[in-house]
Order: sequence, then structure tokens, then C-alpha cells
Amino acid sequence: EAQVTQNPRYLITVTGKKLTVTCSQNMNHEYMSWYRQDPGLGLRQIYYSMNVEVTDKGDVPEGYKVSRKEKRNFPLILESPSPNQTSLYFCASSPREMNTEAFFGQGTRLTVV
Amino acid sequence: SQQGEEDPQALSIQEGENATMNCSYKTSINNLQWYRQNSGRGLVHLILIRSNEREKHSGRLRVTLDTSKKSSSLLITASRAADTASYFCATWNFNKFYFGSGTKLNVKP
Repeated sequence: EAQVTQNPRYLITVTGKKLTVTCSQNMNHEYMSWYRQDPGLGLRQIYYSMNVEVTDKGDVPEGYKVSRKEKRNFPLILESPSPNQTSLYFCASSPREMNTEAFFGQGTRLTVV
Repeated sequence: SQQGEEDPQALSIQEGENATMNCSYKTSINNLQWYRQNSGRGLVHLILIRSNEREKHSGRLRVTLDTSKKSSSLLITASRAADTASYFCATWNFNKFYFGSGTKLNVKP
């Protein structure tokens, strides 16, 4: 089954404690990206990757890191989480071509206290 | 800033009625897509309309695109309680994917 898998689904952590949210897709997609969703602000892109070892900033990259060592995986790293990073996070993937749909993971609800 | 904005922000209708949501965007596009999100869950792709298309149908969904006005509309006909969700338009621009602010649809049984 074609899917994007995020883990964990829920996470409560403390300020400053490094964490990683994993994202994996099984569709051999080249394009992967991360979004955060906040009430009243909609979905905002954090980082995206056009291919292995190619990543670039989205609209809200501050406080986040990503890596793309393999085509299927695109982890989101919060080196020193802060309460303003409390949010619902989504990973998505799509083929390189722009005229196709994106596939989304089920989301990770992160709370930083 | 966001590429797309939608209205209304919230819409409440009775089962069987039609629901119309509108989306406006700011720059030229290759295509415009509509997604649905059930509460707190991942987004699911509904329909894609290319910039050279004016109207597209998929089941009970009808999407229109007016590139001169930079706007699109999503019509859901004969709505069902199961259509209750948030609906987002999305556009590609310079390798980035931008989402509208979403319309929260509530269909009352």
C-alpha cells in the first residue's frame, strides 16, 4: 500500500531536549516536505527536499533541521525544542513532476513544555 | 505569506445541500489542488485542475478555475454528514507547495 509513515504520532517533550520525527515513504518519490499546522495559520512549509542530499528551506525553517540521506526517509530534527514549536506536523511526498498530487502522513502532534 | 486564501472560513449546511468553497491565490500556477482533512488527521488529495482547464468533475465534486481572477471554487453536491471536514486548496510555486487557510465544513444530518 502506498503510504507516508510518520513517527511518533504523539509526543510530549521538555524545552531543549533534542528530538527527531521520522518520515518514510514507499512510493519512490523524489520530493518530500515538512509542514506545521497551527490554528488560524493553516499549513506552513518548514523544509523540502527535491532529491537525495538536496534540501531547502520553506517558509518557517527556524529551529528545525532536516536530512535526506536516502530517498525514502526525510527526518525532521528539533535540536532544542521550544514551546512555540508545539504544533501538528505533517510530512508529505510526491513525484518530482509538479502536476501530481502529494501524499501526506497522518501527522505528529508535538507538545513542548 | 500564504499563496492561497479561502472563504468562507466555516460553513454549516444540512445533509443533501450543496457546499461551495472558494480559493484565491497570488501568483501564476501550473495547477491547483484541493485536499480534505478530517479533524487532526492527514490531508487527502481530492482533485487537481491544471492551469489550462476551466472545470473538472470527480464524483460529487466539481472544481472550477479562473486564472484571470486567480481563483478556484470547489462544489460538493448532495452533501453527506461524512463530508464534514476541512478543505484546503494548494498550489505549487518555485518548488514549494502552498496551502490556503482552509474552509471548515460541517454537514448536519
